[in-house]
Amino acid sequence: GAGVSQTPSNKVTEKGKYVELRCDPISGHTALYWYRQSLGQGPEFLIYFQGTGAADDSGLPNDRFFAVRPEGSVSTLKIQRTERGDSAVYLCASSLYGGSNQPQHFGDGTRLSIL
Amino acid sequence: AQKITQTQPGMFVQEKEAVTLDCTYDTSDQSYGLFWYKQPSSGEMIFLIYQGSYDEQNATEGRYSLNFQKARKSANLVISASQLGDSAMYFCAMREKGGKLIFGQGTELSVKP
Repeated sequence: GAGVSQTPSNKVTEKGKYVELRCDPISGHTALYWYRQSLGQGPEFLIYFQGTGAADDSGLPNDRFFAVRPEGSVSTLKIQRTERGDSAVYLCASSLYGGSNQPQHFGDGTRLSIL
Repeated sequence: AQKITQTQPGMFVQEKEAVTLDCTYDTSDQSYGLFWYKQPSSGEMIFLIYQGSYDEQNATEGRYSLNFQKARKSANLVISASQLGDSAMYFCAMREKGGKLIFGQGTELSVKP
């Protein structure tokens, strides 16, 4: 498809486990963003990639969260030692250019549940 | 710090009528962008409309228009001729320097037949 693709769509795991969430942006989009949305809230920014590098990771809540985008396309958000408070929908978005007025196009999200 | 405020947790509108969803923002930047997104119950975030801080005309996209009042720091979304499919959460967002979006809490719109 032509949109942002996120896998898995749902992930249930136990507290303390490691999880990886994948995002495949729209082809040709250089900017990629990760957000986290808790129930009843607006999305909150986590990290932004321009190409392969993290241009802004100020939203990552702590050092258990890490993200990579090694080839400037697909990105993986990694969460170590998961906690129940990490349960949320993780949204990925991409835009043609970063730091611009280009709209960000979102994927359907990964619903993460920590038991 | 930049902030987006949506004061209406929920709104009801009769089908075929117009509705205005409120959004106010706070920023010290001169250059910024304002976006509205729709999130149906299925969860995807759908881009609706964009307004740049230097745009003199209010943005319009089909049935959506943005009532931009820069001095009041407001960017209200107007939906004309509401349809049942417009029932969803609506988020106002501001682009910060570097491109990340700051979102409001959202407004849940329900369209009644």
